[in-house]
Amino acid sequence: EAQVTQNPRYLITVTGKKLTVTCSQNMNHEYMSWYRQDPGLGLRQIYYSMNVEVTDKGDVPEGYKVSRKEKRNFPLILESPSPNQTSLYFCASSLSKTVGEKLFFGSGTQLSVL
Amino acid sequence: ELKVEQNPLFLSMQEGKNYTIYCNYSTTSDRLYWYRQDPGKSLESLFVLLSNGAVKQEGRLMASLDTKARLSTLHITAAVHDLSATYFCAVGGGSQGNLIFGKGTKLSVKP
Repeated sequence: EAQVTQNPRYLITVTGKKLTVTCSQNMNHEYMSWYRQDPGLGLRQIYYSMNVEVTDKGDVPEGYKVSRKEKRNFPLILESPSPNQTSLYFCASSLSKTVGEKLFFGSGTQLSVL
Repeated sequence: ELKVEQNPLFLSMQEGKNYTIYCNYSTTSDRLYWYRQDPGKSLESLFVLLSNGAVKQEGRLMASLDTKARLSTLHITAAVHDLSATYFCAVGGGSQGNLIFGKGTKLSVKP
């Protein structure tokens, strides 16, 4: 089944403890991206990747890192999480570089930083 | 800086009625998307609009794009309860991979 898989679904952590949220897609998509969703703010793009080893900042990249060493995986790294990073995170992918194709979203990761 | 505004943010409507959700954006873009999100769920792609005058329809939903006015509309025809969800528009930003979302329109369809 074609899908975007995020793990974990729920994560509670403490300030400063490094964490990684994994994202994997099985559709051979070139484009992958991360978003955070906060009440009243909609979704905001954190980082995106047009292809392997090609990543770029979205609108809210501060406090986050990403890497794209393989086409299928695009992990989101929080080196030193803070409470303002408590949010619902979505990973998404699409087939083409031009993003004219529709995005496929993962199920989301609810992160709480205490 | 690209800004995307959706109106209204909340919409309560009766079954059988028609209504339109508006998505305005502030700078030129060559692509606009509509997504649906059910409570507690992920986002599902509805429409991709890539050119001025583009119109796409699926079931009771029809989306259109006017790039000159920087406006997209999502029209709901004869609403049914199953359409209750939050609808987001998203607009392509300055670089190919950048995507800016509106705040979403929470639609509630009542019998």
